[in-house]
Amino acid sequence: TQLLEQSPQFLSIQEGENLTVYCNSSSVFSSLQWYRQEPGEGPVLLVTVVTGGEVKKLKRLTFQFGDARKDSSLHITAAQPGDTGLYLCAGFRAGNMLTFGGGTRLMVKP
Amino acid sequence: DTAVSQTPKYLVTQMGNDKSIKCEQNLGHDTMYWYKQDSKKFLKIMFSYNNKELIINETVPNRFSPKSPDKAHLNLHINSLELGDSAVYFCASSHSSWSTQYFGPGTRLTVL
Repeated sequence: TQLLEQSPQFLSIQEGENLTVYCNSSSVFSSLQWYRQEPGEGPVLLVTVVTGGEVKKLKRLTFQFGDARKDSSLHITAAQPGDTGLYLCAGFRAGNMLTFGGGTRLMVKP
Repeated sequence: DTAVSQTPKYLVTQMGNDKSIKCEQNLGHDTMYWYKQDSKKFLKIMFSYNNKELIINETVPNRFSPKSPDKAHLNLHINSLELGDSAVYFCASSHSSWSTQYFGPGTRLTVL
């Protein structure tokens, strides 16, 4: 059982559609991060959310941290083929150790 | 101007062999990490070093031995390789244990 559960695991959509990816846990995290990983490369940090209820926007990407700091969501508006990749959420827990979710593989078809 | 680099990129070897993966960062960071990503893309921390000292060892078999000759390098040596060791291994670094981590490109290890 993973500490952070991501859903869906796989998502295939058409260009222009909107989507939301969820990251849930029964544990409280001091902060949550979202990463994007492309094939053959390491994860790259997109955003860090720290405050419960916080919303951050990065162009067409909107990140939200749950009020109780146990969950987060990533919403992409008008997805583009360049958004294709593996999206990982990660949270800091005791000992400043970063724990990753299982990832969501997104494919955006032109 | 690569920030975190790993060598080799690909490693194919037989069961029972011993192999090493090297990692170097030129970001001036104090903390370095090794992660393992399995075939289902689950990324899990293995080790964390701060200023050449081990601070996290996440129940990794003692066949895995990290070595940090200096702050900029964290190498991973694996003895008696097993089939289950096949994965992509990522090195990462950060300024401190709670700041942004920068990942290397990964080393795909295949044990036959």
